[in-house]
Amino acid sequence: AQKITQTQPGMFVQEKEAVTLDCTYDTSDQSYGLFWYKQPSSGEMIFLIYQGSYDEQNATEGRYSLNFQKARKSANLVISASQLGDSAMYFCAMREGPIGNQFYFGTGTSLTVIP
Amino acid sequence: ETGVTQTPRHLVMGMTNKKSLKCEQHLGHNAMYWYKQSAKKPLELMFVYNFKEQTENNSVPSRFSPECPNSSHLFLHLHTLQPEDSALYLCASSQDLASRNNEQFFGPGTRLTVL
Repeated sequence: AQKITQTQPGMFVQEKEAVTLDCTYDTSDQSYGLFWYKQPSSGEMIFLIYQGSYDEQNATEGRYSLNFQKARKSANLVISASQLGDSAMYFCAMREGPIGNQFYFGTGTSLTVIP
Repeated sequence: ETGVTQTPRHLVMGMTNKKSLKCEQHLGHNAMYWYKQSAKKPLELMFVYNFKEQTENNSVPSRFSPECPNSSHLFLHLHTLQPEDSALYLCASSQDLASRNNEQFFGPGTRLTVL
């Protein structure tokens, strides 16, 4: 089974609108971390936001927020007020394992912001 | 230099060649990683080093040989590769493996083509 599932290969959003990128995960660990990364066409992966499995509040970083639903094992990324520069690939990732050295990434969602 | 750097940025090699990819991080981190990113597939974690010790080898073929001489440098030695090894190879670093919220900082990647 896939550890990280991103079911939206491509998404479009109008500039200044909000968009939600879906991510579900599979783990039997109690302690794990969830991350979202952005990869522009230049190729470099840019960290956006982190959510710990024990965090009760949803993480927020500027225009990014993470809708964490632990019982459903979902960690959706919400981007508010989309900008043209948000057009990129977005990857959901999970860290688990007894020493935290297991990392899994999803296949990514390509987001295009339309002017 | 800041962040995580990788050289070369592009590499074309024949199946009988031997080459090395280099990664250097200027962040004072203690953990370093190699990932393979192929088209339409999730990012695959290949190797993890923590304080210069290898902690993870995700069933990577022996034609890929990592080396971590110190916490700032990571190499990936390549020999007798196959065309299916063509991919973007990303290096990353994080503070260590102890804290679950340690995000990884990625380099720009080496685009490898095996002929």
